[in-house]
Amino acid sequence: LAKTTQPISMDSYEGQEVNITCSHNNIATNDYITWYQQFPSQGPRFIIQGYKTKVTNEVASLFIPADRKSSTLSLPRVSLSDTAVYYCLVGAAERDYKLSFGAGTTVTVRA
Amino acid sequence: KAGVTQTPRYLIKTRGQQVTLSCSPISGHRSVSWYQQTPGQGLQFLFEYFSETQRNKGNFPGRFSGRQFSNSRSEMNVSTLELGDSALYLCASSLADRENGYTFGSGTRLTVV
Repeated sequence: LAKTTQPISMDSYEGQEVNITCSHNNIATNDYITWYQQFPSQGPRFIIQGYKTKVTNEVASLFIPADRKSSTLSLPRVSLSDTAVYYCLVGAAERDYKLSFGAGTTVTVRA
Repeated sequence: KAGVTQTPRYLIKTRGQQVTLSCSPISGHRSVSWYQQTPGQGLQFLFEYFSETQRNKGNFPGRFSGRQFSNSRSEMNVSTLELGDSALYLCASSLADRENGYTFGSGTRLTVV
């Protein structure tokens, strides 16, 4: 699995957009980029997955530049309930039997 | 549809005892993985099962074992418990191709005293 680097923590306020950038310089051709969200004492929850350009769903957007060496998770108009740890993972589903979670980014949303 | 169900939710055991944790995956999911989460080590992969076979194993001692049944339900067993085994144990299930991500359960909080 490609190694990822993301900020340890980020602070924001309700209603703002939060952008978390993840670096993955040694991403392989077949690798996808996946983001998970985790609340205390709960299991991680799949947020979004992408391969290139931009992916959007009902909760977030994922921006991937052409070189794919980084990606940015964008959370629009965050609320207090978006306070959580966000993990960036890179790997190819068909060959990666395990998910390698780093320390993640702790996002704290304040009123 | 029902999510991944882990039982029990909380457990307290004494050093030296053994424990069995259960995981029922989402219907149709054949891959089940187990993770240990502690404040110091984060999320660490234990093992993955697919069609009743262990496909991959993390770097944990042999005290940690698991199995999967024909209905894809999985159990994890830890023998000779140590204080350091206190953690949140998470189970995740996915479709066979794993390309749509993993769905995690809420975990079992194990405390060893």
